[in-house]
Amino acid sequence: LAKTTQPISMDSYEGQEVNITCSHNNIATNDYITWYQQFPSQGPRFIIQGYKTKVTNEVASLFIPADRKSSTLSLPRVSLSDTAVYYCLVEGNNRLAFGKGNQVVVIP
Amino acid sequence: DAGITQSPRYKITETGRQVTLMCHQTWSHSYMFWYRQDLGHGLRLIYYSAAADITDKGEVPDGYVVSRSKTENFPLTLESATRSQTSVYFCASSDLTGSSYNEQFFGPGTRLTVL
Repeated sequence: LAKTTQPISMDSYEGQEVNITCSHNNIATNDYITWYQQFPSQGPRFIIQGYKTKVTNEVASLFIPADRKSSTLSLPRVSLSDTAVYYCLVEGNNRLAFGKGNQVVVIP
Repeated sequence: DAGITQSPRYKITETGRQVTLMCHQTWSHSYMFWYRQDLGHGLRLIYYSAAADITDKGEVPDGYVVSRSKTENFPLTLESATRSQTSVYFCASSDLTGSSYNEQFFGPGTRLTVL
């Protein structure tokens, strides 16, 4: 089962770009990398998913290097409402492994 | 209402009692999941189901039982609750496309306290 490791917390100022990393050294060939956002007292919510290189959607970008042993979620120009816990998930072939999450606090 | 719901939202029980947490989804998703969330541990998978009558263990299945007689329901039972099972429980559902999972849709969670 692929294990994921994330920093525990980080702070960022409003309007800045935030980059959140996740390590998954034993990721398998068929595994995908997915990121979720969670607000207090709510279930996690899907942000983005990728397999390799770069994926971008309307809210974030996901960068995955060639060896796929890590990934970086990039949130452009964060606002106070982006304060949340961000989880990376490695999944594939009926295997799932969430990280412990990274608490991001956006400061005015 | 459409979506994924969990009941009850809050539950207090005593050690040794049987407790069942309910999960219902209206999308006819093939996959359903149960997670527990504890401070310092993030989300840990308890059980999952690929379809009706197909279930499999996740990372922390001990002390839990699941069933899935209908696609839309996936109840989680604690046969004899222990204090260590005090946690927030999340149910989720998704479909599978090719070799990757589509996004998981999570319910609002059930906060369970075992005294």
